[in-house]
Amino acid sequence: DVKVTQSSRYLVKRTGEKVFLECVQDMDHENMFWYRQDPGLGLRLIYFSYDVKMKEKGDIPEGYSVSREKKERFSLILESASTNQTSMYLCASTRPGRANYGYTFGSGTRLTVV
Amino acid sequence: RKEVEQDPGPFNVPEGATVAFNCTYSNSASQSFFWYRQDCRKEPKLLMSVYSSGNEDGRFTAQLNRASQYISLLIRDSKLSDSATYLCVVVPSGGYNKLIFGAGTRLAVHP
Repeated sequence: DVKVTQSSRYLVKRTGEKVFLECVQDMDHENMFWYRQDPGLGLRLIYFSYDVKMKEKGDIPEGYSVSREKKERFSLILESASTNQTSMYLCASTRPGRANYGYTFGSGTRLTVV
Repeated sequence: RKEVEQDPGPFNVPEGATVAFNCTYSNSASQSFFWYRQDCRKEPKLLMSVYSSGNEDGRFTAQLNRASQYISLLIRDSKLSDSATYLCVVVPSGGYNKLIFGAGTRLAVHP
């Protein structure tokens, strides 16, 4: 089975800290995605990457950046954490043209910024 | 207007009931459609794809109406284990397999 692993289930960070959320997949998928999920708003796309060192902004990229140095790893960076970035963060991966087979999601990181 | 809209529920139904959810989408050029299921505090998982001709998987039936831009999910003979949030998902045209998620409809099946 495809496995997408997010490094932390729960994180508590202080306002202004730089935060790294790590995501690793083991099935050689080209496409990787970062979403955040908030009550009433659903999942919103922050950034995605379709190849190593390639990245594209999603719908809500402000305050975030990403890094894809290796195919299997896609990192989300909060440059200066703020309380409105308290959320559930979900990483996903898939092969190009394979959306019909579904994304595989990691189990999520619940980030609290205090 | 949100790209994908769903009634948030909750839908509270007894075991054995039939329940239906609808979802509307705004981009008429959307190319693919899905239902995902998300259990409490878990990640979303693909439930089924939705085709124009309609498709069935056991107790679950999905329908797509492109003219009216809505998709539906019908669950027959509800089980306690069906309790979850059901996410309507749309793939817009333009590549990269980006998924656009609705906020979800919560279903609670009670004995």
